[in-house]
Amino acid sequence: GIQVEQSPPDLILQEGANSTLRCNFSDSVNNLQWFHQNPWGQLINLFYIPSGTKQNGRLSATTVATERYSLLYISSSQTTDSGVYFCAVETSGSRLTFGEGTQLTVNP
Amino acid sequence: DTEVTQTPKHLVMGMTNKKSLKCEQHMGHRAMYWYKQKAKKPPELMFVYSYEKLSINESVPSRFSPECPNSSLLNLHLHALQPEDSALYLCASSQEWLVTDTQYFGPGTRLTVL
Repeated sequence: GIQVEQSPPDLILQEGANSTLRCNFSDSVNNLQWFHQNPWGQLINLFYIPSGTKQNGRLSATTVATERYSLLYISSSQTTDSGVYFCAVETSGSRLTFGEGTQLTVNP
Repeated sequence: DTEVTQTPKHLVMGMTNKKSLKCEQHMGHRAMYWYKQKAKKPPELMFVYSYEKLSINESVPSRFSPECPNSSLLNLHLHALQPEDSALYLCASSQEWLVTDTQYFGPGTRLTVL
């Protein structure tokens, strides 16, 4: 099956710092989503981005499908950005395969 | 409205109990999913329903019994669970099964089996 690797596994930032999270995948995908899981367990959709670049406020994402990677940019980080960021890809059959996640901690 | 709701938020049950988890969405989605997530791991797919019919069962033990009474509602019936079944159970929905689309997740039910 497809392999999804996220890096770094853990990231600690001071409030106001910028960061880049990476997702590599081993095969062609139909879909790629970025999620933020908050400390209460809620998985929040950030981006649906099989290719190209999207921006939403302080967050933006870029997927380069031909090179099989996606990047999530967080600018001016806030303590509420803390949590786990998952990349999930869909190959066929609407099955999402998740990466192991990046645990982000933003300190005040 | 992109909301998926789940009840209860927390559930503690003994190994001989029978309980049910409930999931609801009113987005008109025809595909609904159950995922299981252990601590510090990503979600794992358990079941997929499409148009109220079970489409995928990822070799889940029979002590987990899904049910889709109508297009908005998805239940997961639990019976004779083991302590290792303790996890966060997430429900999700999307427009259609086998059509590439965003999956929307509920807040989850945190299950503890004693």
